[in-house]
Amino acid sequence: NAGVMQNPRHLVRRRGQEARLRCSPMKGHSHVYWYRQLPEEGLKFMVYLQKENIIDESGMPKERFSAEFPKEGPSILRIQQVVRGDSAAYFCASSPGRGGTEAFFGQGTRLTVV
Amino acid sequence: GEDVEQSLFLSVREGDSSVINCTYTDSSSTYLYWYKQEPGAGLQLLTYIFSNMDMKQDQRLTVLLNKKDKHLSLRIADTQTGDSAIYFCAETENQAGTALIFGKGTTLSVSS
Repeated sequence: NAGVMQNPRHLVRRRGQEARLRCSPMKGHSHVYWYRQLPEEGLKFMVYLQKENIIDESGMPKERFSAEFPKEGPSILRIQQVVRGDSAAYFCASSPGRGGTEAFFGQGTRLTVV
Repeated sequence: GEDVEQSLFLSVREGDSSVINCTYTDSSSTYLYWYKQEPGAGLQLLTYIFSNMDMKQDQRLTVLLNKKDKHLSLRIADTQTGDSAIYFCAETENQAGTALIFGKGTTLSVSS
């Protein structure tokens, strides 16, 4: 059973471009969480999704950021018109149900905006 | 607002015990967690403790929870070089536990 798969592992974008980060949850997991880790900071919650639904997006920036978890395929975190401050590691976690006790994290996508 | 504080660095010798401390602010947290992050890797859940417990032991790991002082600690017995990593303390932001609040992490360095 593969773990949570995130790709790409590293992503470089120029200012103004779009970044798409993908997360494939573990088999049997229908709950996905996205976190952002800025340099020398802890992880900050961004959004919690179930299949086809956004449950909690209280940590998402109001503009340029969006997330989806379609019926088929991976969850996508999209950042439009990236700026240097978006440079960070973005981690995805998945769980079979609600709650963090069974959440497994992926290896993260490191986004660098140049 | 909620906040989780940790010391940033800890250095120990191989074979010694390591104690990583954490303070949190949200008294309604139902679970408190310890995660390990090795260089370039994701977070690995090490252990968690339910808020009505004082202590949890799992092989070389011992978690102590002082709810009155909102203090959580992780003790690693017989620390090995492979334990070198960043350790994050986290609490749940809501009753459902669907959002975690992480500390900035404690970098544990183990020398032989």
